[in-house]
Amino acid sequence: QKEVEQDPGPLSVPEGAIVSLNCTYSNSAFQYFMWYRQYSRKGPELLMYTYSSGNKEDGRFTAQVDKSSKYISLFIRDSQPSDSATYLCAMSGMNSGYSTLTFGKGTMLLVSP
Amino acid sequence: SQTIHQWPATLVQPVGSPLSLECTVEGTSNPNLYWYRQAAGRGLQLLFYSVGIGQISSEVPQNLSASRPQDRQFILSSKKLLLSDSGFYLCAWSAQGLQETQYFGPGTRLLVL
Repeated sequence: QKEVEQDPGPLSVPEGAIVSLNCTYSNSAFQYFMWYRQYSRKGPELLMYTYSSGNKEDGRFTAQVDKSSKYISLFIRDSQPSDSATYLCAMSGMNSGYSTLTFGKGTMLLVSP
Repeated sequence: SQTIHQWPATLVQPVGSPLSLECTVEGTSNPNLYWYRQAAGRGLQLLFYSVGIGQISSEVPQNLSASRPQDRQFILSSKKLLLSDSGFYLCAWSAQGLQETQYFGPGTRLLVL
């Protein structure tokens, strides 16, 4: 079983739709959960950062973590064409005493006008 | 504010040639620095990380090496490139004690022919 699983998509939605992006993981030691947005041929941009379980909201974005199910989500409200990008989830766990990030492979989102 | 630079932006190199990619960070002191490779369909792979000048940890055995000659400078090198070294190379930084929140540079696209 892969450590972090993420549906590659593409996920196509019309402008204004609510988007749900998800990741599942297997390592119960993960405590920090991040979402990155990556436009084509650009570096990833940190969107959301959550510690442990619960919800975090920032504008149109909501990150949700359910540690009991080992499942995290990113919701985008009122999606815009500018949201079209690949979304990467990332998680932090201890490796030889140092915390490293484990990334999902990313979900491509296409928002059509 | 902090800024991270990478160069060159793109590079086409023949098999067997040497490689040097540079990353610099502005606006912060004593950052943690990271080199990742992103290959199509394979996600982000951590190659090296550094917690200080001259301190390099390797995550994956390969023909690449990294050096940190100055506090905010991180260099990725190879003596002889392989075809399999092609990919998108990303440098990232995080503040000391905050390894979870990493910020990425614009990346270098390397094609080995």
